[in-house]
Amino acid sequence: AQTVTQSQPEMSVQEAETVTLSCTYDTSESDYYLFWYKQPPSRQMILVIRQEAYKQQNATENRFSVNFQKAAKSFSLKISDSQLGDAAMYFCAYRPYTGNQFYFGTGTSLTVIP
Amino acid sequence: DVKVTQSSRYLVKRTGEKVFLECVQDMDHENMFWYRQDPGLGLRLIYFSYDVKMKEKGDIPEGYSVSREKKERFSLILESASTNQTSMYLCASSAFDRMNTEAFFGQGTRLTVV
Repeated sequence: AQTVTQSQPEMSVQEAETVTLSCTYDTSESDYYLFWYKQPPSRQMILVIRQEAYKQQNATENRFSVNFQKAAKSFSLKISDSQLGDAAMYFCAYRPYTGNQFYFGTGTSLTVIP
Repeated sequence: DVKVTQSSRYLVKRTGEKVFLECVQDMDHENMFWYRQDPGLGLRLIYFSYDVKMKEKGDIPEGYSVSREKKERFSLILESASTNQTSMYLCASSAFDRMNTEAFFGQGTRLTVV
């Protein structure tokens, strides 16, 4: 069974600094998708970044980037130049290439300190 | 923009009541999901549906049922609400293709059972 582990329940970062959120997953599949979702206090879950496992290049979206280590089954999210609006719960998620289901981690609550 | 709309943001129901949570998506997605979100537990899948009238149990289906009579609508039913079903409920939808892989979420329904 696929499992997704986020070992940091809470993290904090100074405004304008960089923070890395960790995620590991367990799967026997070779092709799959990985995601980071953000859930601000308003509760609407939105996609931050997506990575296809068959792509070796790490995905980047503006200040957000990932470090995808397929052999280690690790998928960390780096937020550069942190802003107050980055404060939220962040969820790591996995989707098999041929499946419909998503598997989510337990989330990391990020606080941004002014 | 993809829109997933949940019928209520806040709901208060009495123990034993039959409760309906409605979710509608406007992107013609094949897959729809109901999750329960509790602190420290992340998102747990209750049910999902990959087609009209089709449903699959998730990790925590006990005490819940679902209905999908139309492609755009997926309803979660609490047959007899109990206090341990007090939680945040999230609906999501996704396509079943290789180009559009992520899930899109509704704004969530905070259900309190008293």
